[in-house]
Amino acid sequence: GENVEQHPSTLSVQEGDSAVIKCTYSDSASNYFPWYKQELGKRPQLIIDIRSNVGEKKDQRIAVTLNKTAKHFSLHITETQPEDSAVYFCAASGGASGTYKYIFGTGTRLKVLA
Amino acid sequence: SAVISQKPSRDICQRGTSLTIQCQVDSQVTMMFWYRQQPGQSLTLIATANQGSEATYESGFVIDKFPISRPNLTFSTLTVSNMSPEDSSIYLCSVDTGVTNYGYTFGSGTRLTVV
Repeated sequence: GENVEQHPSTLSVQEGDSAVIKCTYSDSASNYFPWYKQELGKRPQLIIDIRSNVGEKKDQRIAVTLNKTAKHFSLHITETQPEDSAVYFCAASGGASGTYKYIFGTGTRLKVLA
Repeated sequence: SAVISQKPSRDICQRGTSLTIQCQVDSQVTMMFWYRQQPGQSLTLIATANQGSEATYESGFVIDKFPISRPNLTFSTLTVSNMSPEDSSIYLCSVDTGVTNYGYTFGSGTRLTVV
């Protein structure tokens, strides 16, 4: 079945710097890749997503890139702020595991240092 | 996006007992999903609940331990049966409206502690 690897597990950046989180997936049939942000004690919230027919998507300070050939996708956060501190999860869906079933990565704990 | 009401938000239960978690959605949704998130860990899918059919369980999860009901398109329950301390976790429901390429919305979660 699908397997999603996520790196790094923890990431510390200075406020204003950029942060990059990378995920790789195993099922080449996967076609939808959401990213979730989970603050401490709260539910995961969708922050951005990308479909397999698009190579890049941007929403203000966050962007996601997808390389289908290499089967990896990345989350980019620019001009980081303390409120960006949270755990970020990538996911993949649409592959052999099932069209709507999400397989999540292991998560990245981002700390933005003021 | 859909709004999900999940309850209880937390509970402390004795081992050997059962707890039923409820999720109510403010609109009709095709699929509902139940996840478990152990402390500091990722989200693991327990089962997919479709209205009118039995839930589909993932490897490692069985119906006797985690029975699920889906009586209509806006409501589902997950029961954690015969609990042990290893069941201590956060349980989250999630919905997919069925609209193509629409991200899941999660409920607020139920923090379960088994003593």
